[in-house]
Amino acid sequence: KAGVTQTPRYLIKTRGQQVTLSCSPISGHRSVSWYQQTPGQGLQFLFEYFSETQRNKGNFPGRFSGRQFSNSRSEMNVSTLELGDSALYLCASSIRGLAIRTDTQYFGPGTRLTVL
Amino acid sequence: AQRVTQPEKLLSVFKGAPVELKCNYSYSGSPELFWYVQYSRQRLQLLLRHISRESIKGFTADLNKGETSFHLKKPFAQEEDSAMYYCALAGGTSYGKLTFGQGTILTVHP
Repeated sequence: KAGVTQTPRYLIKTRGQQVTLSCSPISGHRSVSWYQQTPGQGLQFLFEYFSETQRNKGNFPGRFSGRQFSNSRSEMNVSTLELGDSALYLCASSIRGLAIRTDTQYFGPGTRLTVL
Repeated sequence: AQRVTQPEKLLSVFKGAPVELKCNYSYSGSPELFWYVQYSRQRLQLLLRHISRESIKGFTADLNKGETSFHLKKPFAQEEDSAMYYCALAGGTSYGKLTFGQGTILTVHP
C-alpha cells in the first residue's frame, strides 16, 4: 500500500500571502488530520476531516482552514501568512479517525513552509 | 483536558545499556496511548501502542493507570535506536486528534 503523500514538500512564501497544502491519504482511509510541528510548540493538532466533514478542530485562528474531497484527499489553506506560521505541516490518515481502538494514524513526510 | 509530558528532552546512553523514555499523561477517561518514532530524515512512524501489548524492535511500554504513565523501555540499546521519540494520547470522541508530548531525543553512543 502506498503511504500518505503530501505536496509540495517545500514552500517559501512572504507575509500576507496565502498557501494551500495537499494531502493524499492511504487508500481506504477516510480520516485525515493535520498537525503543525515547530521547535517551540512541538506537534499541535489543527483539524480532522472525515467523509468531507470537519469533525474536530484545534486551537488555531480562522486563517487556518481545510477541506476534504469525496476521494478523501484533503487540502489545508492558510491565509494572510505570518512569520510565525513557518513550520512543518504534517498530515496523517486513519480509517476512522481513531474512533475504534484498533485504528492507527499514519503520517506523511510533511510540507516545510517558510514565511519570509 | 488532555496532556502528555515527556520530562526528558535529551537522553544519552551507551550501546548495550538499558534505556527508559518517560511519558506521563493527564486524561480523565480511558486513553489510547502510543509511541511514535522519527528517525533522521524519515517520517513519523508508529512504534507501538498500549492495546497491542507487543514488543517492536525490542521496545516495550506498559500503561500504568495508577501513575498515569506509559514509559518506553528497551533492555539493550542499539545505535540504530538513536531518534526522536514521541509519546501520544488519543481519547474519547476527540476524533482524529493525537495529543503529543514534546519528544525525547535519544542518542545511543557506540
